[in-house]
Amino acid sequence: RKEVEQDPGPFNVPEGATVAFNCTYSNSASQSFFWYRQDCRKEPKLLMSVYSSGNEDGRFTAQLNRASQYISLLIRDSKLSDSATYLCVVNNFNKFYFGSGTKLNVKP
Amino acid sequence: DTAVSQTPKYLVTQMGNDKSIKCEQNLGHDTMYWYKQDSKKFLKIMFSYNNKELIINETVPNRFSPKSPDKAHLNLHINSLELGDSAVYFCASSTAERGGLDTQYFGPGTRLTVL
Repeated sequence: RKEVEQDPGPFNVPEGATVAFNCTYSNSASQSFFWYRQDCRKEPKLLMSVYSSGNEDGRFTAQLNRASQYISLLIRDSKLSDSATYLCVVNNFNKFYFGSGTKLNVKP
Repeated sequence: DTAVSQTPKYLVTQMGNDKSIKCEQNLGHDTMYWYKQDSKKFLKIMFSYNNKELIINETVPNRFSPKSPDKAHLNLHINSLELGDSAVYFCASSTAERGGLDTQYFGPGTRLTVL
């Protein structure tokens, strides 16, 4: 079983839509959680960390459910510039495990 | 200004050759990593160094040898290149704080093509 699993998508949504991505992880001892964004042919960049209490950064909201070993990312009011691959990342004792990414296409 | 830099950006070479990729970070981080991203876009850790010491060595063929001359540099040498080594190799660095609350900063990647 993979450490981190994500739906690869693609999610094709119109501008202004709300879209949600989910991710599950296998190791209940995992310590920290992140969402990264990767544009085509570019390096991954941190989008946001994910805290147990849930956290919001502008149009982006991340949630963590430790009991279900589940992480989510919600994007409200999608912009064309949100088109990218979103990577779920889990940290176990300084080993970072990446999901294979969920591709988002925001259309005009 | 670049936080994590890698050279070269593109590398095209023949099977059986030996090549090196260099990585440097100017963030003052203690920990550096090498990742491989294959054609399916799956990003997998290969090695991690903390203050010039190897701390993570995933099951990578021993044709791959990382070298860290100082904590700001982590180079990757690959011997006897094979077709399956074709991928994008990313270097990253982090503060590696206790509790895993650090984040990683990635270099721009080196796209390796083995012919």
